[in-house]
Amino acid sequence: QVTLRESGPALVKPTQTLTLTCTFSGFSLSTSGMCVSWVRQPPGKALEWLALIDWDDDKYYSTSLKTRLTISKDTSKNQVVLTMTNMDPVDTATYYCARVSGPAASYFDYWGQGTLVTVSS
Amino acid sequence: QSALTQPASVSGSPGQSITISCTGTSSDVGSYNLVSWYQQHPGKAPKLMIYEVSKRPSGVSNRFSGSKSGNTASLTISGLQAEDEADYYCCSYAGSSTFDHVVFGGGTKLTVL
Repeated sequence: QVTLRESGPALVKPTQTLTLTCTFSGFSLSTSGMCVSWVRQPPGKALEWLALIDWDDDKYYSTSLKTRLTISKDTSKNQVVLTMTNMDPVDTATYYCARVSGPAASYFDYWGQGTLVTVSS
Repeated sequence: QSALTQPASVSGSPGQSITISCTGTSSDVGSYNLVSWYQQHPGKAPKLMIYEVSKRPSGVSNRFSGSKSGNTASLTISGLQAEDEADYYCCSYAGSSTFDHVVFGGGTKLTVL
């Protein structure tokens, strides 16, 4: 059974760095073809893809946020960590982690429940 | 990468069929048969409904089907049911560069009248 769970602060101040952890089970990121991604959704708005890391430690980032994002993995702990620097109120959103599957890691087959992050002073 | 274009809203009566379009470019939807669709109920995480344009994951009703023509993908829901009322998002693979691996649509709110 595949599960993912996001954890991190519910509230961050502007200019601070956000660190989110995705803890998963039911698969291993050391298995060829496995990938985990982060997606966010501001309140009432659309989904936005942020970053992806694969079993081979290759990393992919959103062009619009590439200078602020870092994705990493700890295979032994079954965790993927996303850091986002210089947080701003517009970054207020629910942040999801998801397992990515398929050719070219093209679709998200399992999602966490999401964690709401509010950016406010 | 710009977001894929979806209608903001669609509606239909129970039992009817509706289609949601998703328009991209020759760099994403038009280049790859790697479009997926997600259903999201309020306050819930998205759920995969269609992948690789027209494949259904195990457990997804066969009332949901997908197709693609050129730069536009479509999701069709037949025999509408009240439980289908939700937001729907399309997503397309956008290439193997380090940036913009996939791109999402702006979402479509489905109302079952």
